[in-house]
Amino acid sequence: NAGVMQNPRHLVRRRGQEARLRCSPMKGHSHVYWYRQLPEEGLKFMVYLQKENIIDESGMPKERFSAEFPKEGPSILRIQQVVRGDSAAYFCASSPGQGTNQPQHFGDGTRLSIL
Amino acid sequence: SQKIEQNSEALNIQEGKTATLTCNYTNYSPAYLQWYRQDPGRGPVFLLLIRENEKEKRKERLKVTFDTTLKQSLFHITASQPADSATYLCALLINAGNNRKLIWGLGTSLAVNP
Repeated sequence: NAGVMQNPRHLVRRRGQEARLRCSPMKGHSHVYWYRQLPEEGLKFMVYLQKENIIDESGMPKERFSAEFPKEGPSILRIQQVVRGDSAAYFCASSPGQGTNQPQHFGDGTRLSIL
Repeated sequence: SQKIEQNSEALNIQEGKTATLTCNYTNYSPAYLQWYRQDPGRGPVFLLLIRENEKEKRKERLKVTFDTTLKQSLFHITASQPADSATYLCALLINAGNNRKLIWGLGTSLAVNP
């Protein structure tokens, strides 16, 4: 009964390159959330997706960042033309629905480092 | 402005004592409040959820209270153990348009000394 799987665990990119972060939700979960965490800022919501739909992307920067959750396969958070300020831990969480009594289950994150 | 505050300083207690962590919020009207545990290098793990109409919730050695008048939640770990050492995060579930969203505190680091 695998939990939320994120890969890679660590990703190093040079400025200007693209970063792709993957998240496979728990089996049976159709709701995925992406968060960014910095030591002094805590967890910040980025985007909420259901299968093939972006429900809420209010926390996502308007440029360079995009997310998808296709019908088949993992959810992808894509960062184009990375800059040093993109260095952070990115966490994915999933839930079976957005019901109020359904906690979010987190993966162990991808630590992105920009050289 | 809207904000969530947790004890910023690390909490150090002796094994066997009760740890009490605080989560205060302003200008939110949360429907639910959740507590999570996060270990270094790991994702948060859900512990307890309490609804706005509940005063107290318990699970084994854990107890959460929720006072919507004071806008405060207290998280207690009784008979604490070194294995309880971690960062504890509170999160408010708030209405955001047609959706609900979790808003997170920065967390409080707890160290239980043997």
